[in-house]
Amino acid sequence: KAGVTQTPRYLIKTRGQQVTLSCSPISGHRSVSWYQQTPGQGLQFLFEYFSETQRNKGNFPGRFSGRQFSNSRSEMNVSTLELGDSALYLCASSLSPSGSSGGSEQFFGPGTRLTVL
Amino acid sequence: QKEVEQNSGPLSVPEGAIASLNCTYSDRVSQSFFWYRQYSGKSPELIMSIYSNGDKEDGRFTAQLNKASQYVSLLIRDSQPSDSATYLCAPERGKLIFGQGTELSVKP
Repeated sequence: KAGVTQTPRYLIKTRGQQVTLSCSPISGHRSVSWYQQTPGQGLQFLFEYFSETQRNKGNFPGRFSGRQFSNSRSEMNVSTLELGDSALYLCASSLSPSGSSGGSEQFFGPGTRLTVL
Repeated sequence: QKEVEQNSGPLSVPEGAIASLNCTYSDRVSQSFFWYRQYSGKSPELIMSIYSNGDKEDGRFTAQLNKASQYVSLLIRDSQPSDSATYLCAPERGKLIFGQGTELSVKP
């Protein structure tokens, strides 16, 4: 079974631009979560989607948004990029959403490395 | 107080020894706990999940959970150089909350 895929793998943008990252979950997984990883802050939760609905959102500004499509693929968008948005953005999928009694184990994709200049 | 605290590394053990990784969390709501391994430049890889108090063994890995003490640990027996990585503890509370990780180095 194919794992979680993320595109693009690497991205260089300049301040003020916007970016869209894509995530395709493991086949059959309906929950997708997004995380930001930086050396200083570690892994931080951005948001989770299940059945096209945002179930939970982390403590990030409104410039960070996401959506999920009917085939469970997800995208996240960052508008008006800032230097501090440079990070590894990770997507993880699971059978069931967080907090479920089973099937909530999350499997990560390879990530998108975003550099903002 | 941080939501999830892990023992600060780097932790260095000789090959064949037991590596002990500890994690404490601040809430009494979390019911599911996960350990991830992350090699440098790679994404996290799920290695253990534990939901009930007590021990759970999977090969060379044993996870221990004590909800009353808000403590979860990971033991790696017969440590190998290939175990050298950062280990992340993640309680689940509607979302995964990650600790800063413990860097493990296994010396041949």
